[in-house]
Amino acid sequence: DAGITQSPRHKVTETGTPVTLRCHQTENHRYMYWYRQDPGHGLRLIHYSYGVKDTDKGEVSDGYSVSRSKTEDFLLTLESATSSQTSVYFCAISDPGLAGGETQYFGPGTRLLVL
Amino acid sequence: EDQVTQSPEALRLQEGESSSLNCSYTVSGLRGLFWYRQDPGKGPEFLFTLYSAGEEKEKERLKATLTKKESFLHITAPKPEDSATYLCAVGEGGGGNKLTFGTGTQLKVEL
Repeated sequence: DAGITQSPRHKVTETGTPVTLRCHQTENHRYMYWYRQDPGHGLRLIHYSYGVKDTDKGEVSDGYSVSRSKTEDFLLTLESATSSQTSVYFCAISDPGLAGGETQYFGPGTRLLVL
Repeated sequence: EDQVTQSPEALRLQEGESSSLNCSYTVSGLRGLFWYRQDPGKGPEFLFTLYSAGEEKEKERLKATLTKKESFLHITAPKPEDSATYLCAVGEGGGGNKLTFGTGTQLKVEL
């Protein structure tokens, strides 16, 4: 257990509405990541953060924004949700500066359905 | 561009029937080969990290091995509780500590 929680765990929303997903960690890990998982695609990186207010884009960042104002929280926002953003979203953490620190540990996931 | 291919997509075994899962990869600078287990409705659970060709790691009935082009996850005498999807990922060189994942192998172990 890497001390990662995600909220909400399930959400149903309508096309065009904004949605924010929260990832919270309790162990001060430096790096945090947001992935989406879809059948046939595996896990794909959306955005990641390497410190407070330091973020960068991943493979599938269009339509998503992130913020990290505190070490423990990493927020993923869908500014205007679309049906193609229906997915399961996972948060992960790592500490690359530590031995074995490249390993990422994952949260329980958030299931998002956009109608 | 980094690529990870896992095979087979699905595997059905009888309890006690040993087998191997394959993960082949191309990456510009390997910073680790990672294996995860994922149960339905759960997040991926870390199993192993391998860093260099020839390295092996074991945990209970699982053993992971690494060559310059592929990794194998060997499952010895599997039990029904080993049923899960097994994911492979590679860490790339450069900044960001980013991982590229394969699409997984869905393993079903039957009595």
